[in-house]
Amino acid sequence: GESVGLHLPTLSVQEGDNSIINCAYSNSASDYFIWYKQESGKGPQFIIDIRSNMDKRQGQRVTVLLNKTVKHLSLQIAATQPGDSAVYFCAALGAGNMLTFGGGTRLMVKP
Amino acid sequence: EAGVAQSPRYKIIEKRQSVAFWCNPISGHATLYWYQQILGQGPKLLIQFQNNGVVDDSQLPKDRFSAERLKGVDSTLKIQPAKLEDSAVYLCASSLDHYGYTFGSGTRLTVV
Repeated sequence: GESVGLHLPTLSVQEGDNSIINCAYSNSASDYFIWYKQESGKGPQFIIDIRSNMDKRQGQRVTVLLNKTVKHLSLQIAATQPGDSAVYFCAALGAGNMLTFGGGTRLMVKP
Repeated sequence: EAGVAQSPRYKIIEKRQSVAFWCNPISGHATLYWYQQILGQGPKLLIQFQNNGVVDDSQLPKDRFSAERLKGVDSTLKIQPAKLEDSAVYLCASSLDHYGYTFGSGTRLTVV
């Protein structure tokens, strides 16, 4: 029969506003987390990472926050631009050094 | 630095046919991964190689999927016979260590 993929959550923001994309993980043994950006027709592109011994890490216009107590990860994008429109995935490095991806969030930036 | 190369970019086949995908990782990257990404979902690991040895293939449907990495460089992923539910993007990634993944652009497979 027909197979339909999961509907990605969508976040729509105005150009210039800040964006916050959230992710929950389940494996408390994960010690390394990565945010990826995936544009249409391309593979995931590394944005920023964080190790479990940190709570916050900043890059250029991006910040990742890690809350190990509730197993929650967020990606903040400052002054969102049209070029930021893409699907964003969080990924966790777990047992066997396997990278496990979340379901993704589609960010749409309105000009 | 050249990225991870994959070919073909697109492939359309009929169910029960066979298909093969090719990946050339970044030079010097010992670890190579194949992921399957179904539309609307995150990538799912199929198989992980360290040099030419398999590290993990627990998610690979071995009745129809096979992969090899001869000489520890290029890799091929094969599906035989293909099913409708195999329609997806097949992503190859490589890393020097476990903290520096680089993905290719993927091969979009459509099974009709």
